[in-house]
Order: sequence, then structure tokens, then C-alpha cells
Amino acid sequence: TQLLEQSPQFLSIQEGENLTVYCNSSSVFSSLQWYRQEPGEGPVLLVTVVTGGEVKKLKRLTFQFGDARKDSSLHITAAQTGDTGLYLCAGLNTNAGKSTFGDGTTLTVKP
Amino acid sequence: DADVTQTPRNRITKTGKRIMLECSQTKGHDRMYWYRQDPGLGLRLIYYSFDVKDINKGEISDGYSVSRQAQAKFSLSLESAIPNQTALYFCATSDLWVSNNEQFFGPGTRLTVL
Repeated sequence: TQLLEQSPQFLSIQEGENLTVYCNSSSVFSSLQWYRQEPGEGPVLLVTVVTGGEVKKLKRLTFQFGDARKDSSLHITAAQTGDTGLYLCAGLNTNAGKSTFGDGTTLTVKP
Repeated sequence: DADVTQTPRNRITKTGKRIMLECSQTKGHDRMYWYRQDPGLGLRLIYYSFDVKDINKGEISDGYSVSRQAQAKFSLSLESAIPNQTALYFCATSDLWVSNNEQFFGPGTRLTVL
């Protein structure tokens, strides 16, 4: 079984601060995704990273895929209260056609 | 209208009862999934289906069964519910022909087993 560990599990910061969330595994994935989930809703895809070492930016969010395609990070610059939510990473095994989800990071951004 | 719908949204039941959770999608996707979410444990895959005649067990299938009645419908059953099946359940779909396997989730069903 492929496992994905996220850290930290909980993060509470003030608006305007920067933060980084990590997603680590001992397994290699075809690609890795980050989802965000708000209370009462299902997760929504933010980004997919495919190539080892790849960096993608989505406004204030920067996503990086590790060189060995086993880990990823999500960096948020100048966090806003609207960034509050549960962030989930998911590793895709293309051959199996299914994803393994990490245990999530709950982010709270206080005004 | 939502692309992936789940019914019911909330359900309270008693130990030993049979429960069915239903999922419908209008996205035309072949792949459908059932997950459960518990605090601190992320999403764990229960069952998945790549087309109407295909059913596969996920990592935590014991105590659950599924039925893929049509391309658009995928139901999850708990034959005899037990309290540790209290959780948030999500249905998801993805497109076979999209390489990144982006999954589209329903709004979830909150199930409480007393």
C-alpha cells in the first residue's frame, strides 16, 4: 500500500504570514495532486504536478514536485482568510487508475 | 445543477440496519469512486468502478458493498451498519481519457451509526 504523509496536520496562522505544507511518501507516483476542501463540501483540485522537480504557481500558491517524484510541497505567500480549509495531497498511480490521498493539513488563517 | 450528487446528505441510523448511499453524476465519466473521510485520516478508498461491469475493492472494503446500476449511478451499501462506520462519505468521478485523473467530488453524506 502506498502511503502519503502530510505535515503539519494542523496549522493556524495570522493573515499575511507565509506557510509551507509537506506531502511525503516512500513510493514513486506518476503524478501528484493537491486538493482543497471547505467545510460541507467535497475536495476540489488545485493543481497536478507530473515531472520531477516541477514547480507550478497558482496566484499566491506555489507547488513543487520532488525530483524523485515521491514528495511535494505547497507554499502559500501572504495567506488570506479565504485560504482556510483542508489541504489534501493525492498521489496517482497511472497503471492502477486510482489515487492515494494523504491525511490532510487543516489550515486556519485568522484575520 | 451539481455535476455529482449524493443522497441522502445526512443519515442517522442504528447498529445492524442496512443503509444505502446513492451517487449520481451528469459528467458522463466512466470512473466512479466511494471514499470515507474520518478526522485526521484523509480520504480512504472503499470501492471503485471503471465502467458499468467493473467493480474493484479499495483499501477498506470490508463491511461495504457497491452496485454500478448505470454509467451515471454508483451506490454504496452497508449491509449491517456498525458504529465505527460513522464517517463522512464521498462519491467521486473521473474521466478515463484525462491523464491526470482529476476527481470530481460530490458534497458528501454524513452518516452516524448509533
